[in-house]
Amino acid sequence: AQSVSQHNHHVILSEAASLELGCNYSYGGTVNLFWYVQYPGQHLQLLLKYFSGDPLVKGIKGFEAEFIKSKFSFNLRKPSVQWSDTAEYFCAARFNDYKLSFGAGTTVTVRA
Amino acid sequence: EPEVTQTPSHQVTQMGQEVILRCVPISNHLYFYWYRQILGQKVEFLVSFYNNEISEKSEIFDDQFSVERPDGSNFTLKIRSTKLEDSAMYFCASSDGPAGELFFGEGSRLTVL
Repeated sequence: AQSVSQHNHHVILSEAASLELGCNYSYGGTVNLFWYVQYPGQHLQLLLKYFSGDPLVKGIKGFEAEFIKSKFSFNLRKPSVQWSDTAEYFCAARFNDYKLSFGAGTTVTVRA
Repeated sequence: EPEVTQTPSHQVTQMGQEVILRCVPISNHLYFYWYRQILGQKVEFLVSFYNNEISEKSEIFDDQFSVERPDGSNFTLKIRSTKLEDSAMYFCASSDGPAGELFFGEGSRLTVL
């Protein structure tokens, strides 16, 4: 079955630390991949997306993600986090239809 | 920046009552969606809507649920007879095409007592 899984439920780190959040999907066909962020009390916002082309995707707020087809992965990275990056992060995939399938989400807490 | 707006932000209701959650999608978008997130669980797809009809729905979207676009701007989700397990955050989203970016509203938190 098509699915998206996120490895980390809660990540706690200090400002300036590097962040990497894992995301894997299960599907053998063409897939569109997304990372969304939800800041406390706000709506889901798109950080970045991958449809095709360069597997290293750069998004907003200094985030990037790498699509590795052989590993069915789309991990999110940021070299140096700030306190304002405290949020919930969702990996999502669009498989062969319109809808997005979401991972369970990762709560990121950045300590000042 | 255009945005998707949802009302109410929080609704508390008694089990068995009808609830209508309202959404105003981005004005030039044609595809509309409802998702929900039960506390501590994944964001789950409920239904997609295009050209005044449901284009896809999940197993969750049973006969108790319905969607409607009553006018040119609103997109509503109705739950006919709420159950305790309907307590969740409900997100509306819209996009300008089937493969387009989804823009989400801030969510409506439904609490069923």
